Amino acid sequence: NAGVMQNPRHLVRRRGQEARLRCSPVKGHSHVYWYRQLPEEGLKFMVYLQKENIIDESGMPKERFSAEFPKEGPSILRIQQVVRGDSAAYFCASYSTLNTEAFFGQGTRLTVV
Amino acid sequence: QQQVKQSPQSLIVQKGGIPIINCAYENTAFDYFPWYQQFPGKGPALLIAIRPDVSEKKEGRFTISFNKSAKQFSLHIMDSQPGDSATYFCAASTQGGSEKLVFGKGTKLTVNP
Repeated sequence: NAGVMQNPRHLVRRRGQEARLRCSPVKGHSHVYWYRQLPEEGLKFMVYLQKENIIDESGMPKERFSAEFPKEGPSILRIQQVVRGDSAAYFCASYSTLNTEAFFGQGTRLTVV
Repeated sequence: QQQVKQSPQSLIVQKGGIPIINCAYENTAFDYFPWYQQFPGKGPALLIAIRPDVSEKKEGRFTISFNKSAKQFSLHIMDSQPGDSATYFCAASTQGGSEKLVFGKGTKLTVNP
């Protein structure tokens, strides 16, 4: 009974590189949310995806950030040309329409050096 | 614009004490109010959630009190234990919880032995 799996758990990137974060939802869940958590802060919504569709990206920065949830495979959050301010923990949550409880992964901690 | 305000930022109690964490919201469209517990290096885990048609919900040692007219809700932890030491986040959502969660900034709870 695997929960939400995120990888990598820790990611270090130099300024200007690309960061690619992966999220495999709970088996059978077709809804995925991405949240960002800065130190000493709550989680902030970034994007809501269903299979092959972006439903709400109102929390995503307009540039450098993109997300996808293909028909097959994990959801990907992609950050191009990372800057120091992108350093944060990125959490993915999944749920199914049968149960509104959102299950969170362990997060990916991105450090930009 | 912070839609969910949480207090206090940190809280220290003795074992057996009853820590109380408070949250206030602004958006009257919110209709789902969960509390999450997060340990260092882990993702948030759902503790307990309430909908506005009830004023109180209890699960084990955790109780949510909800005041719809004041737009406030709180978490009480009965007979607190050192293992309860964690960061607690309140959150709110619309559409019965199927929409994105708006989180408070968190309360770091320490329960001393």
